[in-house]
Amino acid sequence: DARVTQTPRHKVTEMGQEVTMRCQPILGHNTVFWYRQTMMQGLELLAYFRNRAPLDDSGMPKDRFSAEMPDATLATLKIQPSEPRDSAVYFCASGLVAWGFQASNQPQHFGDGTRLSIL
Amino acid sequence: KQEVTQIPAALSVPEGENLVLNCSFTDSAIYNLQWFRQDPGKGLTSLLLIQSSQREQTSGRLNASLDKSSGRSTLYIAASQPGDSATYLCAVSHNTNAGKSTFGDGTTLTVKP
Repeated sequence: DARVTQTPRHKVTEMGQEVTMRCQPILGHNTVFWYRQTMMQGLELLAYFRNRAPLDDSGMPKDRFSAEMPDATLATLKIQPSEPRDSAVYFCASGLVAWGFQASNQPQHFGDGTRLSIL
Repeated sequence: KQEVTQIPAALSVPEGENLVLNCSFTDSAIYNLQWFRQDPGKGLTSLLLIQSSQREQTSGRLNASLDKSSGRSTLYIAASQPGDSATYLCAVSHNTNAGKSTFGDGTTLTVKP
């Protein structure tokens, strides 16, 4: 079965360090999502891409977070500088989204996440 | 702003029982609704997706219904098993932005042998 792959699975680093999380979406999916999950806030959408173009990043703190998709097989989420409040599990998901009103969406497929701890 | 609520937050049942999980949303102008399962330390696995024009979807022992007018969806699990223990989340996709979903906080289900 095709899977969304995220690396690293775990990351512990000190405040102020740069953190880069990577995601390999499922081949053929046209939409890639980045989510953050915490006990307090639940699952939040940070940003997503349609055909590699950023469509909405309103959920991200712009001053320290950046998301890119340099090619169809790689999406990255970067935090610089990192802060303790960024500690969370970050999920990447991909899907085949039909962007027309009458068309059907396909389910999103999630990776296993990157568990990030900022000390 | 769409808000998604799942009640109860936690549920414990004996094995074999049929159960219903609830999801409610405030804006009925949705594109679709998905139910996901999340196991500890894992990502979300899609269980069922209901398009806005549909009323229900079934997969094995799972049946999800959608009532857009009342802003409600239910996930029915028949003959529950210990392996069904997980957190179940519903997510609503926005009518004007099909890629953007709002998630509920989930219901944590424990099925006791």
